[in-house]
Amino acid sequence: GDSVTQMEGPVTLSEEAFLTINCTYTATGYPSLFWYVQYPGEGLQLLLKATKADDKGSNKGFEATYRKETTSFHLEKGSVQVSDSAVYFCALREDAGNNRKLIWGLGTSLGVNP
Amino acid sequence: DAGVTQSPTHLIKTRGQQVTLRCSPKSGHDTVSWYQQALGQGPQFIFQYYEEEERQRGNFPDRFSGHQFPNYSSELNVNALLLGDSALYLCASSSLTGRGETQYFGPGTRLLVL
Repeated sequence: GDSVTQMEGPVTLSEEAFLTINCTYTATGYPSLFWYVQYPGEGLQLLLKATKADDKGSNKGFEATYRKETTSFHLEKGSVQVSDSAVYFCALREDAGNNRKLIWGLGTSLGVNP
Repeated sequence: DAGVTQSPTHLIKTRGQQVTLRCSPKSGHDTVSWYQQALGQGPQFIFQYYEEEERQRGNFPDRFSGHQFPNYSSELNVNALLLGDSALYLCASSSLTGRGETQYFGPGTRLLVL
C-alpha cells in the first residue's frame, strides 16, 4: 500500500541555519503531496502542496519540489527562525475516484535555538 | 470566517464507556474527515462523510462510527472504549474540488481512556 517515510527527528538547529527535512513516498498511482505543520498545542496547518511532477510548493520561506523520478518531496528553508519550531508532517493522497484519505509520515520535530 | 471547530477539547473516560466527539466544518465546506493521532505518530484516517453518508473508511473497527448532519457538521462515536483509543482525534473539512484539494484541520479533541 501507499506510504510516506520522513527523516527521524528531533532536528535541532541554530537560528538562520539551513533546513532540510527529507520525505520519500511509495504510491501505486499519481498522488498529490503535502507538508503540514503542527505548532505546540495547536492543530495541523497546511504549509504547502504540489499536485504534479516538478511542481514546487512554497509558503513562508519553505519550499518543496515534487520529484517523481526519486519519489521525494523534501522540505527546505534557507534560514530558520525560532518561531519555526514545530512538528512537520509529510503526507500524500491518491486523488482517484472517491479516495480522499491522506496518508502521513510519522512527523519530524524541529527545534530552533536563538 | 471561523475555521474548523471541535468539541470538547479534552475528555477523560474509562474503559468500556462510549464517547461522542463533535466537529463543525469551515464555512463553505461540505466534507468532513476524521483522523486519530496517537502520541508521537502521524494521523490515521478513520472515515470521511459527504452528503450525510460515509464515503470512505480506514482500518478501524465498527466500534468507531460517525454521522453528518444537514448543516455539514459531524460526530464521531466510539463505543466500548479501550485503553488504546487514547489519542488526539482530528477533524478535517474540505470541499470536493478535485486533485490537490486541501483539508483544513481543527485543533483536535484529546481523549484519555483510563
